[in-house]
Amino acid sequence: VQVVESGGNLVEPGGSLRLSCVASGFTFSSYSFNWVRQAPGKGLEWVSYISSRVSIQYYADSVKGRFTISRDDAKNSVFLQMDSLTDDDTAVYYCARDGGVTLDSWGQGTLVTVSS
Amino acid sequence: EIVLTQSPGTLSLSPGERATLSCRASQSVSTSYLAWYQQKPGQAPRLLMLRASNRATGIPDRFSGSGSGRDFTLTISRLEPEDFAVYYCQVFGSSPLYTFGQGTKLEMK
Repeated sequence: VQVVESGGNLVEPGGSLRLSCVASGFTFSSYSFNWVRQAPGKGLEWVSYISSRVSIQYYADSVKGRFTISRDDAKNSVFLQMDSLTDDDTAVYYCARDGGVTLDSWGQGTLVTVSS
Repeated sequence: EIVLTQSPGTLSLSPGERATLSCRASQSVSTSYLAWYQQKPGQAPRLLMLRASNRATGIPDRFSGSGSGRDFTLTISRLEPEDFAVYYCQVFGSSPLYTFGQGTKLEMK
């Protein structure tokens, strides 16, 4: 199982960024996925979830209305579109495979820095 | 929303010693929904324990989990140098879908 995130960058407050996550080593379309973030020196915060098959989406209150999760099963990919970014969104963003009630495989993370 | 409180914040022990990490939930939690993760500096978290007491694939048997209701414990029977890391408990819920404790840092004495 391999999960690889990309797309992190330095962006100004109010800007947008799109993160990508490519996974391999298993039947991608059968699994749900999550994004989890970790601000510098802080703990883990769940951000968003997308289900397999029907792509049901859930979001943390802190990002609802600003972030959009999506997936492309043909490309074994999950995406996180982040709009109206603020300083509080600065974090390492991890893509994690959903194990039902756990997060059973994680990528190495991609750093998003929101700063002017 | 369920809040998870981990204690202690930092635990200083020596290799070979026994480590006991606690996680207390603000309300009763099903053991099916309680997990533990290990995170080493500069690395992603790794699933350690699921359903409160079941080791994830490849996790050595010096790690064990227990508890029910509001109180859960992760025990490392004999610390190895590679066990020094930050440990998070996590519960699966409804809103938010996943909640983490604030973490316990296990440092070498």
